Amino acid sequence: DADVTQTPRNRITKTGKRIMLECSQTKGHDRMYWYRQDPGLGLRLIYYSFDVKDINKGEISDGYSVSRQAQAKFSLSLESAIPNQTALYFCATSQGPGNTIYFGEGSWLTVV
Amino acid sequence: EDQVTQSPEALRLQEGESSSLNCSYTVSGLRGLFWYRQDPGKGPEFLFTLYSAGEEKEKERLKATLTKKESFLHITAPKPEDSATYLCAVHGSGNTGKLIFGQGTTLQVKP
Repeated sequence: DADVTQTPRNRITKTGKRIMLECSQTKGHDRMYWYRQDPGLGLRLIYYSFDVKDINKGEISDGYSVSRQAQAKFSLSLESAIPNQTALYFCATSQGPGNTIYFGEGSWLTVV
Repeated sequence: EDQVTQSPEALRLQEGESSSLNCSYTVSGLRGLFWYRQDPGKGPEFLFTLYSAGEEKEKERLKATLTKKESFLHITAPKPEDSATYLCAVHGSGNTGKLIFGQGTTLQVKP
């Protein structure tokens, strides 16, 4: 089983709909992240959380919100999806500062 | 400004033809340089972490090295299964937790 699990793995949704991507980890790490990957733009950080009560915006947080429900769970929401949010989304985890970040398998989101 | 630049963008090799991928970085106070492998549609898979100039790490046909300004990923006698995109990343300045990625090098190894 994967250490970092994302659900759903694929989703097609309509413009204006609310959608949530969920992430859970079994690595026992304190830090969790949400990244977005687009062709030609690489991986960009949306939000990150150092612990359950510490949530921070990344470089592209507009249009997104997050919730850290527990140390092992971090969800990403699109309140009103728009087509340019079509991308591959990754959840990731790490333990402490400066350490390796481990990625989930990704969630393909298409907004039509 | 923190920055990571990888070259070349794409590399095509024949099986057994060794080569190197480059990662140049600019960051205030390096707190780790990371190499990942990414297959199409999948999450980045961790390969190596390097922390100080002169450090080297190896795994099968891959060897990563680090200087004060750049890192190299050497691929010795590659096989078709080494075909993937290789990503380089550094932790950004300060305690933001942000990992700054390069654009990646897409490697294709032909039999």
